[in-house]
Amino acid sequence: SAVISQKPSRDICQRGTSLTIQCQVDSQVTMMFWYRQQPGQSLTLIATANQGSEATYESGFVIDKFPISRPNLTFSTLTVSNMSPEDSSIYLCSVNREGTEAFFGQGTRLTVV
Amino acid sequence: AQSVAQPEDQVNVAEGNPLTVKCTYSVSGNPYLFWYVQYPNRGLQFLLKYITGDNLVKGSYGFEAEFNKSQTSFHLKKPSALVSDSALYFCAVRDDNYGQNFVFGPGTRLSVLP
Repeated sequence: SAVISQKPSRDICQRGTSLTIQCQVDSQVTMMFWYRQQPGQSLTLIATANQGSEATYESGFVIDKFPISRPNLTFSTLTVSNMSPEDSSIYLCSVNREGTEAFFGQGTRLTVV
Repeated sequence: AQSVAQPEDQVNVAEGNPLTVKCTYSVSGNPYLFWYVQYPNRGLQFLLKYITGDNLVKGSYGFEAEFNKSQTSFHLKKPSALVSDSALYFCAVRDDNYGQNFVFGPGTRLSVLP
């Protein structure tokens, strides 16, 4: 298993500002994943964060809007930049190991006003 | 491409009755299938998985699921529902042809009525 600590757990932000979400894992992992869960919706993968290289973004997500850092094998950050109310969502950090289930942080509930 | 369908947005069941939450999937390779539950203001919690072997898998909190390759289904079941089972349930698939990416279904909200 893996224990994932994510913070902040929630925040209310002004439009036009940026928020950085932190994700800490209790063991080393090769890949970390960032998901977005819009209100009443399922999870959508934003990007895969690899240590030592740039993140890989899914269609519809760009680095300028969602810059990601991965300084080591246990930590990653996701920044939501120049926020608008449409960015109000739950953002989830996840890790998984080959052939096993994904483990999730408790999520960051973001409200943009 | 991978995809997951959960045909019911909402499932209502009386406490003590059996419950089924449906899931069908589409993959090009061998599927790895998962069920997760999400309680309000919480992250996703793993319930069970099918990787290989027996088609009937048992998981946490008395839940089980049956893998049916011919019908490409992986329905979640529980013989006797509890009010505390009320939550949002997600089916997910990983296609071994696509690395470690998970694709999640749209979710089914389960309400267990006392």
